[in-house]
Amino acid sequence: DADVTQTPRNRITKTGKRIMLECSQTKGHDRMYWYRQDPGLGLRLIYYSFDVKDINKGEISDGYSVSRQAQAKFSLSLESAIPNQTALYFCATSETSGPAKNIQYFGAGTRLSVL
Amino acid sequence: AQSVTQPDIHITVSEGASLELRCNYSYGATPYLFWYVQSPGQGLQLLLKYFSGDTLVQGIKGFEAEFKRSQSSFNLRKPSVHWSDAAEYFCAVGSANAGGTSYGKLTFGQGTILTVHP
Repeated sequence: DADVTQTPRNRITKTGKRIMLECSQTKGHDRMYWYRQDPGLGLRLIYYSFDVKDINKGEISDGYSVSRQAQAKFSLSLESAIPNQTALYFCATSETSGPAKNIQYFGAGTRLSVL
Repeated sequence: AQSVTQPDIHITVSEGASLELRCNYSYGATPYLFWYVQSPGQGLQLLLKYFSGDTLVQGIKGFEAEFKRSQSSFNLRKPSVHWSDAAEYFCAVGSANAGGTSYGKLTFGQGTILTVHP
């Protein structure tokens, strides 16, 4: 089983719908991240959480919200989806201390299409 | 603010040829540098990392990268490319303060798509 699991892997939804992307991890890491990937733009950070009670906005958080239900679970929600949120979304985790906390482990991604 | 630039959007090489993917970063303090690879339909996998010490770092799959502080570069190299190396490659920088304490966030470059011809 994958250490970082994202569900669903693919999702098609309509404009205005609320949608939740889920991420769970078995690595025992405290830190979790949500990114979106767009062609030619690389990965951009949406939200990150350094522990269950510490959630922070990334560079492109508008239109998104997150929930850290447990150490192992970090969900991303689109409250009212719009077409320009069509992208590939990645969840990642990292350790808490030392230089190794820069090493992020990624899930396989969720491909979201908003029509 | 830190930033990463990968000047080449798409590179095509023949199988067996050498490869160099360029990465330039902008950051005032100690950078932590990474190369990740994304195969089609897959997540990102760490190829190699630079934290400190020897500026030439070895990674998985026969890749290496050299940190050049004077040029703010961290280029990825492989002496002989295999067809299975076709993928998208991302350079990333992680920030730290002057004392070397990491903040734990990464900034990614735009990515370079590698195509390998037989």
